[in-house]
Amino acid sequence: DTGVSQDPRHKITKRGQNVTFRCDPISEHNRLYWYRQTLGQGPEFLTYFQNEAQLEKSRLLSDRFSAERPKGSFSTLEIQRTEQGDSAMYLCASSSWGADTQYFGPGTRLTVL
Amino acid sequence: DAKTTQPPSMDCAEGRAANLPCNHSTISGNEYVYWYRQIHSQGPQYIIHGLKNNETNEMASLIITEDRKSSTLILPHATLRDTAVYYCIVSASNTGKLIFGQGTTLQVKP
Repeated sequence: DTGVSQDPRHKITKRGQNVTFRCDPISEHNRLYWYRQTLGQGPEFLTYFQNEAQLEKSRLLSDRFSAERPKGSFSTLEIQRTEQGDSAMYLCASSSWGADTQYFGPGTRLTVL
Repeated sequence: DAKTTQPPSMDCAEGRAANLPCNHSTISGNEYVYWYRQIHSQGPQYIIHGLKNNETNEMASLIITEDRKSSTLILPHATLRDTAVYYCIVSASNTGKLIFGQGTTLQVKP
């Protein structure tokens, strides 16, 4: 299967710890998006990359959050000093260009205790 | 804020057509209408999208009104596996980012 993959699928951490998630987009997709989804809500846009360039960041992306896509392929999302409010599903999506369809991965569910 | 309005929930009998409405009265000329669905605890799944014309694929049909202010997603023969939250989204071609609303929870009943 060559869909979007995310790792890990589940992460439980204690408040104050750092966590890092990985997303592998569909091969040759040059756009990669990160979204966050809390219980009962639709996904919310966080940031996106075109190749290795991070082109837009949401106000939701506080200073504790950082995303990278160093070689224009996979991406990582790091959360430093996690808080209980960070508990959510973190979704990654990729597309071949701006107007093309985004395909989502299965998500990483983060629980901060 | 989401640019679309959808009913919070709908029921449909198995085997019947499910018609999910969406209002997007402020849609701009370069914005597409996308439909995704999300089955519990999974990532959103792309269904269909369109700009002006009606569209059909193996999953569904999308009917867009002539003034583009509303659309309807049609699942022609709903099955129990179609039970999900359905999101209608308008997206500009330049950024591509999707602004999700609350969606419609479709419950398909036997």
